[in-house]
Amino acid sequence: GAGVSQSPRYKVTKRGQDVALRCDPISGHVSLYWYRQALGQGPEFLTYFNYEAQQDKSGLPNDRFSAERPEGSISTLTIQRTEQRDSAMYRCASSNPGGETQYFGPGTRLLVL
Amino acid sequence: ELKVEQNPLFLSMQEGKNYTIYCNYSTTSDRLYWYRQDPGKSLESLFVLLSNGAVKQEGRLMASLDTKARLSTLHITAAVHDLSATYFCAGTNTGNQFYFGTGTSLTVIP
Repeated sequence: GAGVSQSPRYKVTKRGQDVALRCDPISGHVSLYWYRQALGQGPEFLTYFNYEAQQDKSGLPNDRFSAERPEGSISTLTIQRTEQRDSAMYRCASSNPGGETQYFGPGTRLLVL
Repeated sequence: ELKVEQNPLFLSMQEGKNYTIYCNYSTTSDRLYWYRQDPGKSLESLFVLLSNGAVKQEGRLMASLDTKARLSTLHITAAVHDLSATYFCAGTNTGNQFYFGTGTSLTVIP
């Protein structure tokens, strides 16, 4: 595609519900990253993939957070039993290896009530 | 963990003036990146600096990297209103994680 897309753009959910956030990277990009960005802050690394392999998940806050990229393209970030503190903007980015820049998607604004 | 600090956090400058944003990082970083974010928008890549002494320029913005000092700068020349945005720097470690600074919110006033 022309750029990184994410869906939904906005998600309002009740505390305790599970949510799944989708990222569709730029076609052909090997690497895919998930970030969380709080208001007035820089993006905080969560996890990243090369192809379908999850290379690093050390940034995931706890075991309620998980991510997958089963076919090396689209990725899903899942948050189970959501809590109010999970409310934030979740951003996805894709790139190719070798020091190239990341291209960010528009983000999913998650609000947990 | 790589720590990235930017200063200033907020910058208000008049059109036509020059200024520099500083980005310090705590440990060795393979590369240094600069991004721009407009309010309510996503991040847009500005520069990728790959080695010590690297300098890149695009329009009124120029970025440089000094890996020995663990310092990158973003210099703004003759600011115009269109440059008003938040600017982030980010470094990477050998694990290819990206660590972002807290951002510098720039406002250019007439």
